[in-house]
Amino acid sequence: DGGITQSPKYLFRKEGQNVTLSCEQNLNHDAMYWYRQDPGQGLRLIYYSQIVNDFQKGDIAEGYSVSREKKESFPLTVTSAQKNPTAFYLCASRVTASSGNTIYFGEGSWLTVV
Amino acid sequence: AQSVTQLDSQVPVFEEAPVELRCNYSSSVSVYLFWYVQYPNQGLQLLLKYLSGSTLVKGINGFEAEFNKSQTSFHLRKPSVHISDTAEYFCAVSDRDSGTYKYIFGTGTRLKVLA
Repeated sequence: DGGITQSPKYLFRKEGQNVTLSCEQNLNHDAMYWYRQDPGQGLRLIYYSQIVNDFQKGDIAEGYSVSREKKESFPLTVTSAQKNPTAFYLCASRVTASSGNTIYFGEGSWLTVV
Repeated sequence: AQSVTQLDSQVPVFEEAPVELRCNYSSSVSVYLFWYVQYPNQGLQLLLKYLSGSTLVKGINGFEAEFNKSQTSFHLRKPSVHISDTAEYFCAVSDRDSGTYKYIFGTGTRLKVLA
């Protein structure tokens, strides 16, 4: 079954801890993205990667880090430097330009600070 | 920089009535335009997209949208809504000429269908 898999669905973080959200896709998409969703604010771009071993900061990258060692995987680490990490996190990947530049999403991960 | 405005944060409508969800974007350069739907606690699902060609685009679940370049708008319509259409709807734009393939999203419109 092709798609974008995010895990875990729910994650709790204690103050001062780093946590990592997993995102895996088997769609052979080149580009991958991480968005943060807060109520009333829509989606805000954290990081994106267009190819393996390369990634760029989005609009709200502070307190987050990523890696792109494999085409299929784009994990997001929420570090202790992120002061307000409670949010819904969405991973996405993009069909190649020749197919229309459409972005598709995983099911999301809830992160809560306790 | 490109921006997307969804003027209505919430739209209540009775079942079987028509609905229009409005979306305007800021830049008139060549763009790709998208509408996504999000059900509670889930990711975003693509409803429809405009890439080129006909300005009237049909999508899933009976939705359609019209691209209006002069008004920089991409409004979403459905002639008769169902209870199951209750969800949040997001408009998004990607600059066609941008080498970075970034996608800018609106703040969403919550559609509530009333029985």
